[in-house]
Amino acid sequence: DIQMTQSPATLSASVGARVTITCRASQSIGDWLAWYQQKPGKAPKPLIYKASSLESGVPLRFSGSGSGTEFTLTISSLQPDDFATYYCQQSYSFLWTFGQGTKVEIK
Amino acid sequence: QVQLVESGGGLVKPGGSLKLSCAASGFSFGDHYMNWIRQAPGKGLEWVSYIRSGGTTENYADSVKGRFTISRDDARNFLYLEMNNLTAEDTAVYYCATISEKMYWGQGARVTVSS
Repeated sequence: DIQMTQSPATLSASVGARVTITCRASQSIGDWLAWYQQKPGKAPKPLIYKASSLESGVPLRFSGSGSGTEFTLTISSLQPDDFATYYCQQSYSFLWTFGQGTKVEIK
Repeated sequence: QVQLVESGGGLVKPGGSLKLSCAASGFSFGDHYMNWIRQAPGKGLEWVSYIRSGGTTENYADSVKGRFTISRDDARNFLYLEMNNLTAEDTAVYYCATISEKMYWGQGARVTVSS
């Protein structure tokens, strides 16, 4: 199985800060990488697909980059609505695997 | 637009069974491989099972192998997950999902295994 290692586990930041979350795959996955935002009690909301493509309706302050084994999710200016948990997921393999999640907290 | 709607969740006793359904619409269901993912309370996301288009191939996480069965009805655009011999560790929200470059998820069905 492809292992996805996400860091950091927790991130404390202020409104307006630039935030970067990293996801590393145990083998090359091309650009088959998605990012999700999840708030308590809600289903994961897709933010990014194919590593860098923004889902419809997602604010432009979110961006994704990377290919192969190293990927990043960047929030250019953190907003109050962005405090949530973020997950990466590979779909290169039929056996999808997820990062452990990054909780973005208010500093 | 793509819609995935899960149903069939509920409270079940340890050792019991439950069958989840996922109604799909807005895309060519028969052409897509479908997945179940779950999330236990306070935990991360765990892939459970997939079934390829036409039902030709299926696979399961080790944690559910031999107890869960995935199936699909391409005529009715439904995905199923039959869960047997349930334990407290199976308590989770179960999501059906697919990919067509983009990822599509349902809103989830809650399964609670408790006596």
